[in-house]
Amino acid sequence: DAKTTQPPSMDCAEGRAANLPCNHSTISGNEYVYWYRQIHSQGPQYIIHGLKNNETNEMASLIITEDRKSSTLILPHATLRDTAVYYCIVRVAWSGGFKTIFGAGTRLFVKA
Amino acid sequence: NAGVTQTPKFQVLKTGQSMTLQCAQDMNHNSMYWYRQDPGMGLRLIYYSASEGTTDKGEVPNGYNVSRLNKREFSLRLESAAPSQTSVYFCASSEVGSQETQYFGPGTRLLVL
Repeated sequence: DAKTTQPPSMDCAEGRAANLPCNHSTISGNEYVYWYRQIHSQGPQYIIHGLKNNETNEMASLIITEDRKSSTLILPHATLRDTAVYYCIVRVAWSGGFKTIFGAGTRLFVKA
Repeated sequence: NAGVTQTPKFQVLKTGQSMTLQCAQDMNHNSMYWYRQDPGMGLRLIYYSASEGTTDKGEVPNGYNVSRLNKREFSLRLESAAPSQTSVYFCASSEVGSQETQYFGPGTRLLVL
């Protein structure tokens, strides 16, 4: 019952920008889009989140389309250490409140 | 500021044995979570605690129990381990609110023989 769709894998050359797409066509007006990544078998790491405006922090930029049905995570200068699984998440309301559903994510391979 | 810590890092159990996974956070967060991650899969929520003194079931609670000992600590107990519970277990914490960013621990790798 994931609310997001991501490509299973992507490649990127070291030093180039990595653009990771995500579709969330059923997103509600007050739901945020979150991005996390998981490097090898470590715990997931928060990257960035946004509602409708584009966001940037020290790790990445998040571009959200005007209709909010899709977004793109941009790693401006990918390094080998950015090789990881990237999860795009919209929290799902359920009987217990909200839950964060981690789908399969996009496995990004950064190549030298 | 250690963030979220988990013990043990790795554990091997025999079928039927019991054990408790420990989790602690020092960020003064109200909410804490337990997830499991099977090979090649995303994370699935086992239990969560919105605040001290409360716990609720997640997507896959069967075979597990939890205790929110205080605001800092949230433990996960396997009463009678089964091979299907072989997984990596992650604990996370967050502040409550509409912008709920979760911070994860390093994980506990559990093998049930």
